[in-house]
Amino acid sequence: KNQVEQSPQSLIILEGKNCTLQCNYTVSPFSNLRWYKQDTGRGPVSLTIMTFSENTKSNRRYTATLDADTKQSSLHITASQLSDSASYICVVPGGYQKVTFGTGTKLQVIP
Amino acid sequence: NAGVTQTPKFRVLKTGQSMTLLCAQDMNHEYMYWYRQDPGMGLRLIHYSVGEGTTAKGEVPDGYNVSRLKKQNFLLGLESAAPSQTSVYFCASSLTLRGTEAFFGQGTRLTVV
Repeated sequence: KNQVEQSPQSLIILEGKNCTLQCNYTVSPFSNLRWYKQDTGRGPVSLTIMTFSENTKSNRRYTATLDADTKQSSLHITASQLSDSASYICVVPGGYQKVTFGTGTKLQVIP
Repeated sequence: NAGVTQTPKFRVLKTGQSMTLLCAQDMNHEYMYWYRQDPGMGLRLIHYSVGEGTTAKGEVPDGYNVSRLKKQNFLLGLESAAPSQTSVYFCASSLTLRGTEAFFGQGTRLTVV
C-alpha cells in the first residue's frame, strides 16, 4: 500500500532556532516528492519539489533533501520565524488517490 | 489572478439537508479535485475530474456527487448531509494529474448537526 508517513506529528520551537521535519514514503514507482506549507485556515501552498535525481534543494530558509534509496525526505527550516508556524505536508504522486498525502507536521514557533 | 476560489467559506447544515460547494479556477487547468481534511488525517480525495464533462471517484466518494459542466468550475454536492461529513473541504486544480503543483482553494468548513 502506498503510504507517506511524517514525523514528528507536532513540534514547538523557539523563534530563531532550526528544525527538521521528516517524510518516509513507500510509494512506487517514484517520480517526485513535494513539500507543502498549510497556514491555519488556508489551503496548502507548494514550497518545493524534489525529483528523483535531486539530493538537496534550497528555497530561502527552507532546505529539502531526498534519499531515493531509503525513501526518505527531510525539510530543514533555518532561523525560524513566527510566520513559519504552519502544517507542513509531504506529497508523493502515485497510488489510488493519484497523489498520496502525508498527515503533516504541525510546527509552532514561539517568541 | 484569483487562482482557485471556493464558496462558501463556512456552512452549518442540519442532518438530511443538501448543499453544493462551488470551486472556480482561472488558470485553465484540466485537472480539478475535491478533498476533505479531518484532524489527524491527510487530505483524502473525494472526486476528481480530468477535463470538462468528466468526473471520477476518489478514495472517499460515498455521499458526494460532482459535476464539471465547464472547465473552470467543479461542483461538489451533498444530497443528504450526515454528521460524518463534518470536515474542511478543499478544492484544487493542476496542469497534469501527477507531479505538477496543485493549487488549492482556501477551504470550506462544513458542520453537520
